[in-house]
Amino acid sequence: GNSVTQMEGPVTLSEEAFLTINCTYTATGYPSLFWYVQYPGEGLQLLLKATKADDKGSNKGFEATYRKETTSFHLEKGSVQVSDSAVYFCALGHWEVDSNYQLIWGAGTKLIIKP
Amino acid sequence: NAGVTQTPKFRVLKTGQSMTLLCAQDMNHEYMYWYRQDPGMGLRLIHYSVGEGTTAKGEVPDGYNVSRLKKQNFLLGLESAAPSQTSVYFCASSPGPTSQYFGPGTRLTVL
Repeated sequence: GNSVTQMEGPVTLSEEAFLTINCTYTATGYPSLFWYVQYPGEGLQLLLKATKADDKGSNKGFEATYRKETTSFHLEKGSVQVSDSAVYFCALGHWEVDSNYQLIWGAGTKLIIKP
Repeated sequence: NAGVTQTPKFRVLKTGQSMTLLCAQDMNHEYMYWYRQDPGMGLRLIHYSVGEGTTAKGEVPDGYNVSRLKKQNFLLGLESAAPSQTSVYFCASSPGPTSQYFGPGTRLTVL
């Protein structure tokens, strides 16, 4: 079946460090891939997405490339800030056999940025 | 636009009590969803709706019921609360089968 695996957290970095949060997936067909971010005490917000192989999603300095050959969608940022501290969720979107669209979620990775 | 709002923000119930969580969206979205979020487990879909008057079961529907009588509202009911239903509940909506917009969440504790 379809699934999403994220690296376990928390990930702790110093300000201005380079960030990578790994996400790999298992899917049949051609899913879309998403990164959502959840700031403390808030709901999830879409950070970026990619809908086909080799697409790169980007937003707020974050990037992720849809790699079909490695079934990955790793999140990267060149220089993190304290304000990036949050929980990051990788998700896969696909059509089910009953023609309904579903999102499959990773467990989330907590990111802590120290000044 | 308020986006997606949820009522209440916090609630404490005793085992066996019932309650209804309200989700409202003002974006005219067709799709609405209820998720629960538990530590280390990400989001799990409880029920969803692809339009007014329709509902469907998600991954973990047992113990919950939903209704979508109006397009902008999606209600989640717990008929007889159990401690296993202690969680944070998120509602989301989307214009179609694509990325979703989330509410701020409801933290429910069942004693």
